[in-house]
Amino acid sequence: KNQVEQSPQSLIILEGKNCTLQCNYTVSPFSNLRWYKQDTGRGPVSLTIMTFSENTKSNGRYTATLDADTKQSSLHITASQLSDSASYICVLHGGGSQGNLIFGKGTKLSVKP
Amino acid sequence: DTGVSQDPRHKITKRGQNVTFRCDPISEHNRLYWYRQTLGQGPEFLTYFQNEAQLEKSRLLSDRFSAERPKGSFSTLEIQRTEQGDSAMYLCASRGGGGETQYFGPGTRLLVL
Repeated sequence: KNQVEQSPQSLIILEGKNCTLQCNYTVSPFSNLRWYKQDTGRGPVSLTIMTFSENTKSNGRYTATLDADTKQSSLHITASQLSDSASYICVLHGGGSQGNLIFGKGTKLSVKP
Repeated sequence: DTGVSQDPRHKITKRGQNVTFRCDPISEHNRLYWYRQTLGQGPEFLTYFQNEAQLEKSRLLSDRFSAERPKGSFSTLEIQRTEQGDSAMYLCASRGGGGETQYFGPGTRLLVL
């Protein structure tokens, strides 16, 4: 069973609308949770990093939240733009080894005009 | 552009051939990572270098795979006797001493025929 589950798998929204992407995880304990944006055919780009003690972290129009009790994180995108079309990947660093990064499969977001 | 470059961006090869990929990290970053990403999946950790030392290797890194970082700067990933299952995007990332953020390169997309 994947330890990081993201939903929805894909999402289509109109330009200017808001959206929220979900990440449920079973990894415990963990040292930090990250959200990455990955354009098609490109490498992921870091959006936010939160430690287990943080509840929210913003980066421009992107706001990530973390509820360690329910083991859920969300990424909220405000006033979407066409350039937001990408896959958004939730990643947990389980701590310890450098290789202990557990990636979700991502949510593919399409923003239409 | 994150400052991490990879070469080539695309590689098509026949089964059984050897291939080598190069990654140039951000110059002051001492940590370098290799990942593999297949279609519709998140990246999977392959190996990690701190300076020239290869400190971690995933069980995904079979005997046909070898990675080097001879002078602690650029790194190479070689796949010997390629198989069709090796077809994937190979991502490189680097990280500086004090930060948690990994900066990914654009990836090398490998297709094994």
